[in-house]
Amino acid sequence: DIVMTQSPDSLAVSLGERATINCKSSQSVLYSPNNKNYLAWYQQKPGQPPKLLIYWASFRESGVPDRFSGSGSGTDFTLTISSLQAADVAVYYCQQFYTTPWTFGQGTKVEFK
Amino acid sequence: QVQLQESGPGLVKPSETLSLTCTVSGGSITSNYWSWIRQPPGKGLEWIGYIYYSGTTNYNPSLKSRLTMSVDTSKNQFSLKLSSVTAADTAVYYCANIRVGEASLFDYWGQGTLVTVSS
Repeated sequence: DIVMTQSPDSLAVSLGERATINCKSSQSVLYSPNNKNYLAWYQQKPGQPPKLLIYWASFRESGVPDRFSGSGSGTDFTLTISSLQAADVAVYYCQQFYTTPWTFGQGTKVEFK
Repeated sequence: QVQLQESGPGLVKPSETLSLTCTVSGGSITSNYWSWIRQPPGKGLEWIGYIYYSGTTNYNPSLKSRLTMSVDTSKNQFSLKLSSVTAADTAVYYCANIRVGEASLFDYWGQGTLVTVSS
């Protein structure tokens, strides 16, 4: 199985400040024939199911605010919230869909400082 | 827009079989792949497996020996059965659809149902 490891486990950020979450996969999720990284980011708020934010490591899902961005390739990825808003307090998960079993990171909790 | 709703017992005894159903509305079950994901209380997400309307399945190897998924196209439902459960199977169980195309993304999710394994 591909192990996904996120850092940090939790993050306290002031309103309007930048939040950065890292995700590392135990093997590359870059598929060379199409040069795409099979990596997604989800946001989960308390009592709700996860919501897709980013796929192909850097493609923003329709309707997701542009303060959310994804970057990285191969085994190292980052989700950045450029200016934290109240609605962004949540747990964020990275997930690889390169190969089954599809696996998630352990989650990063983003809170207000 | 596709909507999903999980249903089933909220309490299952150890060693028994956990059974859940996901009802799909706003779309046909024959148009997508369908998946189950679970989340133990206060913990992260675990992909359980997926099924296509034809019956094709792909299970997480960690659960494969205890797992059965099925589809009922007449009712627009798909189901999960997990046998020989223990306390470690206590979790919120989500059903989700998988986006058609190159990227296997979980598009729409049910609200989730908590299943507790306890005597």
